[in-house]
Amino acid sequence: GENVEQHPSTLSVQEGDSAVIKCTYSDSASNYFPWYKQELGKGPQLIIDIRSNVGEKKDQRIAVTLNKTAKHFSLHITETQPEDSAVYFCAASTGTASKLTFGTGTRLQVTL
Amino acid sequence: EAQVTQNPRYLITVTGKKLTVTCSQNMNHEYMSWYRQDPGLGLRQIYYSMNVEVTDKGDVPEGYKVSRKEKRNFPLILESPSPNQTSLYFCASSAVRGTALNSPLHFGNGTRLTVT
Repeated sequence: GENVEQHPSTLSVQEGDSAVIKCTYSDSASNYFPWYKQELGKGPQLIIDIRSNVGEKKDQRIAVTLNKTAKHFSLHITETQPEDSAVYFCAASTGTASKLTFGTGTRLQVTL
Repeated sequence: EAQVTQNPRYLITVTGKKLTVTCSQNMNHEYMSWYRQDPGLGLRQIYYSMNVEVTDKGDVPEGYKVSRKEKRNFPLILESPSPNQTSLYFCASSAVRGTALNSPLHFGNGTRLTVT
């Protein structure tokens, strides 16, 4: 089955700096790659996603890049703010509803 | 407001005492799923359901049961809880087109279970 590895497990950046979280996946058939943000005491919430026919997608300060050849995708957050502090999960799916495999999560802390 | 509601938010129980965690969604979603979240292991799928009366095992189904008698509800049952089931549990739902997710997964706010 699919295996998703996520790095780093913790990341601390200063406010205004950029943050990058990287994930690799094993199943070459995977074609959907969402990113979820989990704030303290809440469930994960989708922040951005990308499909395999696109190499990059951007939404304001957040961007995701996908390299299908290398089987890795990354989340980029620019101009980080304290409210970006949370746990971030990447995931990969072949498109079948039952097969959304999550990474192990990255705890991002944005310090003042 | 579209939401997935889990109850209870916190639960402390003893080994062997049957318990049920409820999950309800108001978005008319076909797909519902249970995950457990453990430090360093991320979110692991326990069971999922593609529609009413259709359920299947995820990656870590041992020690759990589910049922899907109504579209909106998907309870998680622990017949004989053990300490290794101490975890943070999340219910999620999504619309489905065929066998594929047709909307983002919507998660509940979690149930923190402690089994002593």
